[in-house]
Amino acid sequence: GENVEQHPSTLSVQEGDSAVIKCTYSDSASNYFPWYKQELGKGPQLIIDIRSNVGEKKDQRIAVTLNKTAKHFSLHITETQPEDSAVYFCAASQHLSGYALNFGKGTSLLVTP
Amino acid sequence: DVKVTQSSRYLVKRTGEKVFLECVQDMDHENMFWYRQDPGLGLRLIYFSYDVKMKEKGDIPEGYSVSREKKERFSLILESASTNQTSMYLCASSVRGGGSGANVLTFGAGSRLTVL
Repeated sequence: GENVEQHPSTLSVQEGDSAVIKCTYSDSASNYFPWYKQELGKGPQLIIDIRSNVGEKKDQRIAVTLNKTAKHFSLHITETQPEDSAVYFCAASQHLSGYALNFGKGTSLLVTP
Repeated sequence: DVKVTQSSRYLVKRTGEKVFLECVQDMDHENMFWYRQDPGLGLRLIYFSYDVKMKEKGDIPEGYSVSREKKERFSLILESASTNQTSMYLCASSVRGGGSGANVLTFGAGSRLTVL
């Protein structure tokens, strides 16, 4: 089955700096790569996703890049703010297949003022 | 605006007890999932269901069972709770594949279970 590796496990940045979280996946058939953000006391929530027919997607301060050849994808957060502090999970699956998502182990991001 | 509701936020049970974790969604989603979240291990899939009365094992089904008698409700059952089942349990739902929302999971807030 699919194996998703996520790095780093913890990340601390100063407010205004950029943060990058990286994931690799093992199943070349995977074509859907979402990112979820989990704030304290809440369930994870989708913040951005990318499908394998594109290499990059942006939504305001967040962006995701995908390298299918190398089987890795990354989350980029620019101009970080304290409210970006949360646990971030990457995941991979075959879109529209009905398969459940395979998640990475998570990255705890701390943005210090 | 709550869409996935987990009935209990915090539970404390004794070893050997039977435990029911309930999850209800109001979005008419076909798919429902139970994940377990542990520090350093991320989100691991226990069971999922694509339709009423249907269930599929995830990555760590041992010690758990599920029930889906109605579309909106998905229950996780620990037949005989053990201390290694102390964890945060997350329920999620999604629409069936075929549309733009496919594979997008909506999670509940979680149920933190402690087994003594």
